[in-house]
Amino acid sequence: SQTIHQWPATLVQPVGSPLSLECTVEGTSNPNLYWYRQAAGRGLQLLFYSVGIGQISSEVPQNLSASRPQDRQFILSSKKLLLSDSGFYLCAWSVGSPLHFGNGTRLTVT
Amino acid sequence: QQQVKQSPQSLIVQKGGISIINCAYENTAFDYFPWYQQFPGKGPALLIAIRPDVSEKKEGRFTISFNKSAKQFSLHIMDSQPGDSATYFCAASLNDMRFGAGTRLTVKP
Repeated sequence: SQTIHQWPATLVQPVGSPLSLECTVEGTSNPNLYWYRQAAGRGLQLLFYSVGIGQISSEVPQNLSASRPQDRQFILSSKKLLLSDSGFYLCAWSVGSPLHFGNGTRLTVT
Repeated sequence: QQQVKQSPQSLIVQKGGISIINCAYENTAFDYFPWYQQFPGKGPALLIAIRPDVSEKKEGRFTISFNKSAKQFSLHIMDSQPGDSATYFCAASLNDMRFGAGTRLTVKP
């Protein structure tokens, strides 16, 4: 069966520090991979998606970037965090429909 | 551009009652309509989904009603339980998935 791992579960970082969130998927090949952000009490905003190694599409311009160095690995990064980057970050995968989400990383920028 | 509109934003239902959450979409090319359930601190989990060639799908206490001509679909939770208290998201998909803004459901004992 397929599983998705996302870490860390929680993270507190100061403004201006770098960020690296990692997501890996097991049990499937060539999945589409996604990063979503969920602000407190709000909906899901698609940040990045990838249909293959090295292929990244960005939905919104922002302080973040994504990379896919391996087929089942997706990384969300920032060189310098802003207060507005605080939120709940979710990785997801799909092969066709539906989307399958990880358990998220709660990021607090102080 | 909001392609999927969800209502209500929050909902309070008594135990044993029926919870109804509604969604409307704009793009008639969407071909997959899932509902996700999210508990605090967890990622959303697929609850039930429907394709536009059927008007209703039922799984246990959860039912999706789909109205293609009106471009609307809804989630009905029968015999709502306190354990159903969560945030529910509707979504619509063609090549990527567009989510509604979510409904926070509280089921009171």
